[in-house]
Amino acid sequence: DAGVIQSPRHEVTEMGQEVTLRCKPISGHNSLFWYRQTMMRGLELLIYFNNNVPIDDSGMPEDRFSAKMPNASFSTLKIQPSEPRDSAVYFCASSLDRGRETQYFGPGTRLLVL
Amino acid sequence: GEDVEQSLFLSVREGDSSVINCTYTDSSSTYLYWYKQEPGAGLQLLTYIFSNMDMKQDQRLTVLLNKKDKHLSLRIADTQTGDSAIYFCAERDTGRRALTFGSGTRLQVQP
Repeated sequence: DAGVIQSPRHEVTEMGQEVTLRCKPISGHNSLFWYRQTMMRGLELLIYFNNNVPIDDSGMPEDRFSAKMPNASFSTLKIQPSEPRDSAVYFCASSLDRGRETQYFGPGTRLLVL
Repeated sequence: GEDVEQSLFLSVREGDSSVINCTYTDSSSTYLYWYKQEPGAGLQLLTYIFSNMDMKQDQRLTVLLNKKDKHLSLRIADTQTGDSAIYFCAERDTGRRALTFGSGTRLQVQP
């Protein structure tokens, strides 16, 4: 199994630009999570999906952030417009909802907004 | 809300045991996890423990859970330089699927 795949691995953009982060969960997993990691706030949940439906988006910072999961094998996190304070590592994780909730993380996307 | 706390840094000598501690506040936590993050990499699940257990051992790793004190520890026996990383404690409560992470403990193993 290839594990959770994220792209791009690194993204450098200018303030005001749109950024799209992509995630492919592990095949067969039915839950997908987006986390953000910063030095100041550590790891924070942004949103999670179960069976492609957004369940909890209370961690999404503001309207500039949006996430979609059009099918079981793909999800996007979009920031529009981006700001320097969005600079962070964004992780995608997936799991199979079976009680134990073992989440498997992707390698992350390192975003730098100038 | 939930809160998970860890010490920030631990330094040990190669071959010694490492003990990384974690405290949590949510009494309804069902599962508790330890993840490892190496520089520039994602989080790797090391082990987990169910809240009705006191101890779990997996090769060099031993997890101890004191539910009364809401204290979780990870012991790494015979610590190696390859164990140098940041270790995150995380918990999940019954009402929420997502994990709440601690701030991470940076383990430095001196040769």
